Amino acid sequence: SQTIHQWPATLVQPVGSPLSLECTVEGTSNPNLYWYRQAAGRGLQLLFYSVGIGQISSEVPQNLSASRPQDRQFILSSKKLLLSDSGFYLCAWSGRKLLDRTNGYTFGSGTRLTVV
Amino acid sequence: SQKIEQNSEALNIQEGKTATLTCNYTNYSPAYLQWYRQDPGRGPVFLLLIRENEKEKRKERLKVTFDTTLKQSLFHITASQPADSATYLCALMPSYTGGFKTIFGAGTRLFVKA
Repeated sequence: SQTIHQWPATLVQPVGSPLSLECTVEGTSNPNLYWYRQAAGRGLQLLFYSVGIGQISSEVPQNLSASRPQDRQFILSSKKLLLSDSGFYLCAWSGRKLLDRTNGYTFGSGTRLTVV
Repeated sequence: SQKIEQNSEALNIQEGKTATLTCNYTNYSPAYLQWYRQDPGRGPVFLLLIRENEKEKRKERLKVTFDTTLKQSLFHITASQPADSATYLCALMPSYTGGFKTIFGAGTRLFVKA
């Protein structure tokens, strides 16, 4: 069965420090991968999505970046965190084909990031 | 601008009753509409998907309707149980994005009292 792992679960970082969140998927090949951010009382905001190794599409201009060094690995990074980067970060995967995506997205358990 | 609206007020119902949650959207041409459940501090879990050419979808105690004229989806939980208490998110997969950019509403919190 397919599983998605996301870590760490919680993170407290000072302003200006770097960030690296990692997400890995098991049990599937060639997934579409996504990073979302959820602020309290707000909908999930799509940050990045990837359809393959090295292929990253950015949805929101900001000081975050994403990379996909391997087929089932997705990394969210920042060189210098801002207070506004605080939030609940969620990694997700879906099937590559549109028909596969009708099974919905599978989300990781999330990372609660607090920038202080 | 494109928008998904879900009732921000929590819905409180008695166990055994039917819970009905509403999702309204504007300016989308959705190919698919999805519903997810999210528990506090956890990632959303996919429940149901309904296509734009479908009026209704059922899965066990869950029922989703989709009215593209009204631009509205209703999500029903029949015979609700305290374990159904959670936040329920509506999500649209616009057809023009090829399904890559699923857009989520903020969710409605459901409390089912025993």
